[in-house]
Amino acid sequence: SQTIHQWPATLVQPVGSPLSLECTVEGTSNPNLYWYRQAAGRGLQLLFYSVGIGQISSEVPQNLSASRPQDRQFILSSKKLLLSDSGFYLCAWNSKTSGSSYEQYFGPGTRLTVT
Amino acid sequence: GNSVTQMEGPVTLSEEAFLTINCTYTATGYPSLFWYVQYPGEGLQLLLKATKADDKGSNKGFEATYRKETTSFHLEKGSVQVSDSAVYFCALSEAGGFKTIFGAGTRLFVKA
Repeated sequence: SQTIHQWPATLVQPVGSPLSLECTVEGTSNPNLYWYRQAAGRGLQLLFYSVGIGQISSEVPQNLSASRPQDRQFILSSKKLLLSDSGFYLCAWNSKTSGSSYEQYFGPGTRLTVT
Repeated sequence: GNSVTQMEGPVTLSEEAFLTINCTYTATGYPSLFWYVQYPGEGLQLLLKATKADDKGSNKGFEATYRKETTSFHLEKGSVQVSDSAVYFCALSEAGGFKTIFGAGTRLFVKA
């Protein structure tokens, strides 16, 4: 069966510090991968998605970046955090299998607080 | 472009009450429709789905029917429990699409 991991689970960082959040998927190959952000009490904002190694599409221009160094690894980074980067970050994957309805499977999330 | 609109919350119900959360969508083509649930402090989980018109998705007592004529996918449950307290997201994805479009979410509180 497939599983998705995210770490760390919680993070408190000062403004201006760097960020690295990691997501890995097990039990599947060549998945589509996604990063979302959820502000407190709000809906989901798609940040990045990737359909393959080294292929990153950005949905929202901001001081975040994403990378996919391996097939099942997706990393979210920032060189200098802003207060507005606080939120709940969710990684998700889905399958490219022909005929799939493209439901997404989410990780447990990382709660980031920028102080 | 594609979009999903769902009723604003919070919705507060007593245990064993009937639940309806409205969801309508705008899409080109023939999307698949989903309801996801998010319990406090957790990621989203797929609750149910429907892939074509008139399909009914169901899971854990929840149901939703894909209504193409009204572009709706309303979530219903006959008797809610305190453990159903969560945020519910309606969503769509088009066949062959890489992205899922989510509604804003509806928070449900169920009182004992």
